[in-house]
Order: sequence, then C-alpha cells, then structure tokens
Amino acid sequence: RKEVEQDPGPFNVPEGATVAFNCTYSNSASQSFFWYRQDCRKEPKLLMSVYSSGNEDGRFTAQLNRASQYISLLIRDSKLSDSATYLCVVIVEKSSGDKLTFGTGTRLAVRP
Amino acid sequence: DADVTQTPRNRITKTGKRIMLECSQTKGHDRMYWYRQDPGLGLRLIYYSFDVKDINKGEISDGYSVSRQAQAKFSLSLESAIPNQTALYFCATSDWLAGRETQYFGPGTRLLVL
Repeated sequence: RKEVEQDPGPFNVPEGATVAFNCTYSNSASQSFFWYRQDCRKEPKLLMSVYSSGNEDGRFTAQLNRASQYISLLIRDSKLSDSATYLCVVIVEKSSGDKLTFGTGTRLAVRP
Repeated sequence: DADVTQTPRNRITKTGKRIMLECSQTKGHDRMYWYRQDPGLGLRLIYYSFDVKDINKGEISDGYSVSRQAQAKFSLSLESAIPNQTALYFCATSDWLAGRETQYFGPGTRLLVL
C-alpha cells in the first residue's frame, strides 16, 4: 500500500459545483497535513494546512479524519481558475528530520 | 523576483553526459530539497540538506549527487545521465509556518535524456 494515496481523477465539474477530494495515508504516526495546488507545468504551491478541527479558507475547506486516516479538501462554488492538480502532503516528524510524503495528485477540470 | 530559482529551466542531454542543475534561494531558509516529478508517481525526494554541512539521501538518490555550496545554493548533479532520469526536477526550501514545516518550490527544470 502506498504511504499516501489520491484518486488521480480527472474530476470534471461545471462552474459553481461543489467538489471534494480525499487523500488517505498509511502511517498512523503522521502528524502534519497540507494541500498544495499545482498548475500545469508549474511548481506546487501551498494551498492550505489541515488542522485536526478542520479549517476553512474562503471556498476551500480542509478536514482531517485521524480514525480513518484521510484528509479531505472541499471546494465550493468552483471557478474556472480552480482547474489544477491538488497534491496532499503528509508529514511524519522524526528526530532525524521530518519525512514529507506527497500524493500523486488529483486533477480538477472546471468547465464553463 | 522569485525566492527560489532554478537553472536551467529546460535541458536536453545525451546518455552518459554529466549535468548539473542549480538552485538558489533568497528566503534565508536552512533547509533545501531536490525532488523529481514523474507522471503517476508524484514528487519523490532525491536529496535534502538541513544546513551547509548536512546532506542526506532521499528515497531515490541513486545516480544523483548534490552539493550545498552555501546556505543559498544547492546543486544536483547527474554524473552519467540515463534516459529514465528524464523528469521534471524541483528544488524546494522549507520554513516553519504556524508550527508546521512548509515547502516553497522553485519553478522546476525539465530534463530530457536522450
């Protein structure tokens, strides 16, 4: 089983739709979680951290479910500009240095 | 100006050639990383450095070497390039944001090995 797994998609949705992605992780010792956004042929950029209590940033909501070992990203009122690949990142903190593991990404395509 | 820069941005080389990819940062971060990204495989860590005197292998370091010339510079070398090293390479730095390590990526270098 991969350490971090994401549905590659693509998710094709119309503008205005609500869409959700999940990311599962296998290491129960994972402590920090992030969502990054990557546009085609560009570098990944931090979208938002994921906190245990869940957090919201405008149209984006991130949640963590430790019992089932997954994080989710919900996008409401999708815009054309939301079209990108969304990468989840899971961090295991170690005394020798944190281990960051990236998911392979979920591609979102928002159509007019 | 970009905080993390990579040169070259694109490179075509032949099997067996030595090639160096360079990364510079103006963010003042101690930690720097090299990743490669392949379709369907996501980002995989090649090497990382927590400061100038600290170099560590990542999950796929075979065939690569690195040099941390200064806090701001971290170079990745392919001593003898092979076609399966064709990929998109990213340099990154990291910092602590709200108690969490956050990564900042360079624009990437597209490498094609023929």
